[in-house]
Amino acid sequence: NAGVTQTPKFRILKIGQSMTLQCTQDMNHNYMYWYRQDPGMGLKLIYYSVGAGITDKGEVPNGYNVSRSTTEDFPLRLELAAPSQTSVYFCASRPGGQANNQPQHFGDGTRLSIL
Amino acid sequence: AQSVTQLGSHVSVSEGALVLLRCNYSSSVPPYLFWYVQYPNQGLQLLLKYTTGATLVKGINGFEAEFKKSETSFHLTKPSAHMSDAAEYFCAVSDRGGYQKVTFGTGTKLQVIP
Repeated sequence: NAGVTQTPKFRILKIGQSMTLQCTQDMNHNYMYWYRQDPGMGLKLIYYSVGAGITDKGEVPNGYNVSRSTTEDFPLRLELAAPSQTSVYFCASRPGGQANNQPQHFGDGTRLSIL
Repeated sequence: AQSVTQLGSHVSVSEGALVLLRCNYSSSVPPYLFWYVQYPNQGLQLLLKYTTGATLVKGINGFEAEFKKSETSFHLTKPSAHMSDAAEYFCAVSDRGGYQKVTFGTGTKLQVIP
């Protein structure tokens, strides 16, 4: 049972480069989330999706884009990498519908450095 | 707006001692409350959750938490710390509607001293 899978695990980018962080889940969850985690700051929501074709902004969306073409996949795109985007990125998913009390399931994260 | 405050970014306990990690929340409606644990280089894993009903919630690895509405608290406890409990712990509050907006605390790193 793979759960939530994130790739790559580590990446170093140069300022101005672009990349896509991949996230896929095999639990048929409707809701998916992208967070960034910075030391001492907890997790901040970047974007979320309530189902295929539907996405919305979270707390810190600037500099990022997402898409949700399938239930399984929720990639996060950085178009012009900036040093402020150095962080650990987590993807999460949970069931939708009446299951609002269900916890989110997290991937192991992508550690991204922008130099 | 909802918020979470975790008192103490670092907590140290001796092996075998009581673990107490503090969490206070604010929410305009009855919330769902969660504790997650994060081991190095891993994602967050659910320890326990409070939704409705019994206010003392038991989770995995011997942890439990008590929802106290009057104190707006959801402190995490374990009677006897084990070396394997060393990790970072996050308290989270969620509303009950829509996409489940979750607000995470800033985390508490637990160190267990042999």
